[in-house]
Amino acid sequence: GNSVTQMEGPVTLSEEAFLTINCTYTATGYPSLFWYVQYPGEGLQLLLKATKADDKGSNKGFEATYRKETTSFHLEKGSVQVSDSAVYFCALHSGGGADGLTFGKGTHLIIQP
Amino acid sequence: DAGVIQSPRHEVTEMGQEVTLRCKPISGHNSLFWYRQTMMRGLELLIYFNNNVPIDDSGMPEDRFSAKMPNASFSTLKIQPSEPRDSAVYFCASSLGREGYTFGSGTRLTVV
Repeated sequence: GNSVTQMEGPVTLSEEAFLTINCTYTATGYPSLFWYVQYPGEGLQLLLKATKADDKGSNKGFEATYRKETTSFHLEKGSVQVSDSAVYFCALHSGGGADGLTFGKGTHLIIQP
Repeated sequence: DAGVIQSPRHEVTEMGQEVTLRCKPISGHNSLFWYRQTMMRGLELLIYFNNNVPIDDSGMPEDRFSAKMPNASFSTLKIQPSEPRDSAVYFCASSLGREGYTFGSGTRLTVV
């Protein structure tokens, strides 16, 4: 079956530090890959996505590259801000139809000023 | 578009009472999903609908949980009777194909 594994949190960084949150997956076929972000008290918001191997998704300074050979989709940002503090979820969708996303357990990111 | 709309935002109820959570998906989206989020278990898919038809309800924890989608613009998740262990944040999401989900803001349910 499908699964997503993320690094455990919380991850605590200082402002302007470089961020990497690791994500690896197991899936049948050729999944689409996503990163979602959840700010306190809110629902999940789509941050970025990639639909095929070697695609790079990017948004708000965040990037992730779909690596089929390593089944990974690591999230990176060159310089984090306090406002980036949130929970980040890696997810995949492998169905051809409308079946559900498979989520990782989430990584809580804390940015200190 | 107002996004996915869930109501109520917060619900506090006594054990044994019936609870109904509501969701209005984005117009034009053909899939709707109900998730439950807790600290212990993270995000769990409870059930999803495609074109108003329930496709997979294997995530529904017990017979006390039921979900309906009478039309393309409305869905409910009902818990009867509710128990303290049902306390969680319940999210509704909708999508069109594989384009990723749009989530609602969630309903925080507390059963005392």
